[in-house]
Amino acid sequence: NAGVTQTPKFQVLKTGQSMTLQCAQDMNHEYMSWYRQDPGMGLRLIHYSVGAGITDQGEVPNGYNVSRSTTEDFPLRLLSAAPSQTSVYFCASSYSPGVPLHFGNGTRLTVT
Amino acid sequence: EDQVTQSPEALRLQEGESSSLNCSYTVSGLRGLFWYRQDPGKGPEFLFTLYSAGEEKEKERLKATLTKKESFLHITAPKPEDSATYLCAVMEYGNKLVFGAGTILRVKS
Repeated sequence: NAGVTQTPKFQVLKTGQSMTLQCAQDMNHEYMSWYRQDPGMGLRLIHYSVGAGITDQGEVPNGYNVSRSTTEDFPLRLLSAAPSQTSVYFCASSYSPGVPLHFGNGTRLTVT
Repeated sequence: EDQVTQSPEALRLQEGESSSLNCSYTVSGLRGLFWYRQDPGKGPEFLFTLYSAGEEKEKERLKATLTKKESFLHITAPKPEDSATYLCAVMEYGNKLVFGAGTILRVKS
C-alpha cells in the first residue's frame, strides 16, 4: 500500500506560469482534499472532494482549480502562479470528512 | 471566529523530562479533536481522536486528554525520537476542520 502519493516533491515556478500538482491514493477513499502549510500558520484547506465528479472550495481557493474524474486521483492546478502561492502543499484523503486524514508527503513550491 | 491555538510554539526537553503541549479552541460545536505528528519533510501522521470532554487516549509515551475548551498532549519520559511538530485539529459541525499552527518539540539526549 503506497497510501497518498504526491508529485513532484519540489517545484520552482516563475510568476505567471501554470502547473499541476499530482495526488493519488490507493485506499479507495471517497474524501480527498488539498491543504497549504505556511510558517506560523495552521494547515489551510484549498479545495476538497467527497467523491468522483464532486468538488468544492475550502478556505483559500483563489488561484487554484481541481477536478476529480476518478476516485484515486485529485490534481491541483495553479492557473497563474504568484509569489503568494509559495508554500508546502499537502494532499490528504479519508473514508469520509469526519474521520482522520491520511496525508501525502507534500510538494514544496517556490514561485519567483 | 473559530480558532485553534497551540502552545508553546516550541519546546525543548531533555530526554526523560516529561511535559505537556496545549491545544485550546473556540469553535461553535465540537465534533472531534485530532492530534497529528509531523516529521520534517513529511506529511502529518495521525495520532489520536478525542470526541468528548473527559476522554483520554494513550499510545506509548503519549497521552491525549480533552476538556470543553482545550486538549493536552502529555509526553512522559520523552526520547529523542519523539522530536517532531505536533499538530492539533478541531472538527466542528459541518465537518469544517481547523488546524492549529503546531508545537515544535525537540528532545535532547
